[in-house]
Amino acid sequence: EADIYQTPRYLVIGTGKKITLECSQTMGHDKMYWYQQDPGMELHLIHYSYGVNSTEKGDLSSESTVSRIRTEHFPLTLESARPSHTSQYLCASSDGGSVEQYFGPGTRLTVT
Amino acid sequence: KNEVEQSPQNLTAQEGEFITINCSYSVGISALHWLQQHPGGGIVSLFMLSSGKKKHGRLIATINIQEKHSSLHITASHPRDSAVYICAVRSWGAQKLVFGQGTRLTINP
Repeated sequence: EADIYQTPRYLVIGTGKKITLECSQTMGHDKMYWYQQDPGMELHLIHYSYGVNSTEKGDLSSESTVSRIRTEHFPLTLESARPSHTSQYLCASSDGGSVEQYFGPGTRLTVT
Repeated sequence: KNEVEQSPQNLTAQEGEFITINCSYSVGISALHWLQQHPGGGIVSLFMLSSGKKKHGRLIATINIQEKHSSLHITASHPRDSAVYICAVRSWGAQKLVFGQGTRLTINP
């Protein structure tokens, strides 16, 4: 059983608001990832981290930012939410020596 | 053309039918994953393959490295198998996964 958590699970918010999506894992994994998935579409990597104080942008350009101050925590922030940010955001983690990724339950974001 | 292509995109079947979902990829890979995503959005890893075949309950996954092709089979399908099944590959030397677009499976009772 993977121990990776995301909050909130669902969020409806107005345009211009600042939001932070939380992701935490209790497995001590050094690698963490954020994916964005539009309905019916494939997952796209938007951010990843190979360890504390290490963050990189993924394949899909995103206006979000991330931080990795603690191993277990990888929050994603949108400074000013827009309707185009409406999507599902999935967090995942993996152990350094493994290719297996464990996924969180996702956050479904709607910006009105 | 995507690096990972799945077929079919949508599949509807009756309970009890044998299901096959296909995944083709265009790059050399170190591992291939089959993932299951239920309507709530959460993703569960079903299999990770680098060669051969794996079986877990009614699910079987195979991979042919030479042909760059993998299949996911479900025997005696059940309505609770209804989900989106996603193929993802990790190419040699890469840390990131590349995902297929998913196959939406619906099993009717």
